[in-house]
Amino acid sequence: EVYLVESGGGLVQPGGSLRLSCAVSGFTFSDHYMDWVRQAPGKGLECVARIGVRGNSFIPEYAASVNGRTTISFDGSKNLLYLQMNRLKTDDTAVYFCTRDGGKYRFDYWGQGTLVAVSS
Amino acid sequence: DTQLTQSPSFLSASVGDRVTITCRASQDIRGHLVWYQQKLGKVPKLLIYGASTLQTGVPSRFSGSGSGTEFTLTITSLQPEDFATYYCQQFNSYPLTFGGGTKVEIK
Repeated sequence: EVYLVESGGGLVQPGGSLRLSCAVSGFTFSDHYMDWVRQAPGKGLECVARIGVRGNSFIPEYAASVNGRTTISFDGSKNLLYLQMNRLKTDDTAVYFCTRDGGKYRFDYWGQGTLVAVSS
Repeated sequence: DTQLTQSPSFLSASVGDRVTITCRASQDIRGHLVWYQQKLGKVPKLLIYGASTLQTGVPSRFSGSGSGTEFTLTITSLQPEDFATYYCQQFNSYPLTFGGGTKVEIK
């Protein structure tokens, strides 16, 4: 069974940093792209970062809204997907979901989400 | 970036109604279009991928069609559990983008 479990959200001041984690199980990480998707309160969905294996390397991609402030990574020894967010802004306030690209161009599994609140 | 425009953004319907939601892309995304359902406070649920392929376990009253820049999600006979917000998403190019959502409420 596939499981994605996020953690690490919380209240942080503008300009601060936070690292989100997503524990993955039930599949081989390197076989799939993984994404972080966020949803601001009462708003729609936004893909913010993606990571996948091409050749022997993990290749990250970022949305313009977080590029330069955010790093997506994976620790294979712990089966943890990370999202390091720096220089946080109030606009980054959202529930952050970890998702799996199940192949055939779709997010087939989602975690339950973790809330990041950026406020002074 | 590929923009996705959903219409309507809100619709009011009755149980048993046929409902159609449209998603228009700002550029050709071939058939790389996905539909999700999200209920309040819940995680999005995959309904349809590849524009028209029903995800395993999704009721057959849901169907998708389209290619290129125009796509539709149809619910043939709306059930009480279908009242939710529906999002389209394109997988043709990064950044992967979502439509703004269509909220389906009970009339």
